[in-house]
Amino acid sequence: KAGVTQTPRYLIKTRGQQVTLSCSPISGHRSVSWYQQTPGQGLQFLFEYFSETQRNKGNFPGRFSGRQFSNSRSEMNVSTLELGDSALYLCASKRGDTYNEQFFGPGTRLTVL
Amino acid sequence: DQQVKQNSPSLSVQEGRISILNCDYTNSMFDYFLWYKKYPAEGPTFLISISSIKDKNEDGRFTVFLNKSAKHLSLHIVPSQPGDSAVYFCAASAYNNDMRFGAGTRLTVKP
Repeated sequence: KAGVTQTPRYLIKTRGQQVTLSCSPISGHRSVSWYQQTPGQGLQFLFEYFSETQRNKGNFPGRFSGRQFSNSRSEMNVSTLELGDSALYLCASKRGDTYNEQFFGPGTRLTVL
Repeated sequence: DQQVKQNSPSLSVQEGRISILNCDYTNSMFDYFLWYKKYPAEGPTFLISISSIKDKNEDGRFTVFLNKSAKHLSLHIVPSQPGDSAVYFCAASAYNNDMRFGAGTRLTVKP
């Protein structure tokens, strides 16, 4: 079974631009969560999508948004990029049942100049 | 809001000895806890979990202990191996809620 895939793996943008990251979950997984990892901050929860609906949301500004498609693939969008948005963005999927462990993708490294 | 805290950013142990990684949480609604391991340039991988109805769960060299009254959990690795060197994240979840992660502890196992 293929794992969680994320594209692109690396991205360089400038302040004010917008970016879209993509995540393909493990086949059969209906829940996709997004996290931001910065040095010393651990993994900060952005949002979770389940069956095309946002089920949970973390404490990030409205510049961060996402969506999920009928095939469970998910995209995350960040508008008006700021230098502080530079981070590793991780996507994780799980079947959708509660308490199942999440499986993470390799992440997208975003650098904002 | 740091609902899950890993107060030790780093830990160094000798090969063959025990590694103990600690984690504290503040939200009493958390009832499921997990440990993830992360190597550079890779996403975190699931290691072991424990439900709040238990106080211990073992899987080979890895054991997780949960002390609900103290809102504390720990991961024991015995014996530690150089390949265990990685960043370890503690995570906690309540029913149908998002999973909260700690800041991570970098474990270095010296040969």
